[in-house]
Amino acid sequence: DIQMTQSPSSLPASLGERVTISCRASQGISNNLNWYQQKPDGTIKPLIYYTSNLQSGVPSRFSGSGSGTDYSLTISSLEPEDFAMYYCQQDASFPPTFGGGTKLELK
Amino acid sequence: EVQLVESGGGLVQPGRSLKLSCAASGFTFSNYYMAWVRQAPKKGLEWVATISTSGSRTYYPDSVKGRFTISRDNAKSSLYLQMNSLKSEDTATYYCARQGHRYWFAYWGQGTLVTVSS
Repeated sequence: DIQMTQSPSSLPASLGERVTISCRASQGISNNLNWYQQKPDGTIKPLIYYTSNLQSGVPSRFSGSGSGTDYSLTISSLEPEDFAMYYCQQDASFPPTFGGGTKLELK
Repeated sequence: EVQLVESGGGLVQPGRSLKLSCAASGFTFSNYYMAWVRQAPKKGLEWVATISTSGSRTYYPDSVKGRFTISRDNAKSSLYLQMNSLKSEDTATYYCARQGHRYWFAYWGQGTLVTVSS
């Protein structure tokens, strides 16, 4: 199975700040990388698919990039509702696997 | 609006069975692959099962293969997960998800909690 490693596991940040969350795959995944946001109540919101494609309704302050084994999610200017858990997930190879998550918290 | 509503979770003893349901609305259910994804308490996400549009093909990770069975009823726009021989490590919130391209989970339900304990 492909292992997905996210960093950092915890990211303190301030409103209006630009932040980047990293995700590394144990082998190349050819841009088959997706991102999800999870709120404290458990609600999961899909954000980005295939590295850089925003799901309908996702604000443009979210963006994704990367290639090969290294990918990232960037939020250009943090809003209050962005403080949550973020997970990356690969679907290049069976079985699909998720990263361990990054907790974006208010500094 | 796409809606996925899970039900059927609860407390169950190790070795027993439980069946989860997911009621879908707001889209043509029969056109989409569907999946279950779980999250153990304070842990990350784990894909559990996927079923094709007709139900003829199913996919599982090794951790649940042979114990869990995913199924669907397109006439009722419903997805199911039959869980047998439950173990304590199956304790988790189980989410129903609509798949998009490949294993992109494009829509999620609110989840239903399954606790396996004596």
